[in-house]
Amino acid sequence: EADIYQTPRYLVIGTGKKITLECSQTMGHDKMYWYQQDPGMELHLIHYSYGVNSTEKGDLSSESTVSRIRTEHFPLTLESARPSHTSQYLCASSATGGPTGELFFGEGSRLTVL
Amino acid sequence: LAKTTQPISMDSYEGQEVNITCSHNNIATNDYITWYQQFPSQGPRFIIQGYKTKVTNEVASLFIPADRKSSTLSLPRVSLSDTAVYYCLVGDLSGNQFYFGTGTSLTVIP
Repeated sequence: EADIYQTPRYLVIGTGKKITLECSQTMGHDKMYWYQQDPGMELHLIHYSYGVNSTEKGDLSSESTVSRIRTEHFPLTLESARPSHTSQYLCASSATGGPTGELFFGEGSRLTVL
Repeated sequence: LAKTTQPISMDSYEGQEVNITCSHNNIATNDYITWYQQFPSQGPRFIIQGYKTKVTNEVASLFIPADRKSSTLSLPRVSLSDTAVYYCLVGDLSGNQFYFGTGTSLTVIP
């Protein structure tokens, strides 16, 4: 079982609110990722990190921001949520130099902005 | 990064073998081929990975021809619980970025 956790699992908020989606992993993985996925659609990489103090944007432009102050923690923040941010957000991690580069995913955070 | 192409959807009856093919014409020398499975409202889960020829584990087999421009995921004797979306990814094991394509939605019919 992968040890990667996301909170909250479900969040319904009003437009303009600031939200932070939490992601933590206990596997000591250097690399962490955030994906955005609408129902029935493909996953889009929005942020990734190679390690502490490293963050990069993915292939899908996102108004969210991320930080990586600790190896195990990779939170995603939306300063002012809008209905267009409604989606599922999936966090993942992988080990540098691992045998397969396997991605371990959390269960996701489903965000609804009213 | 090598782009992948898969069928959008497939149907199969329970108990049959299912083969899902992925095309990756511009695969690089250092790239591996990895397949993930995703159930609704969950994150994808690693199924199998290979570089060339054939790889088999307890849930699937992966066939890769000599030119490596395509690969086929084989699921033996599928059951209803195999209904999911299957993604083919191509990339090196440094894993700096993982890009998922559209995937193949497999529906297993009783």
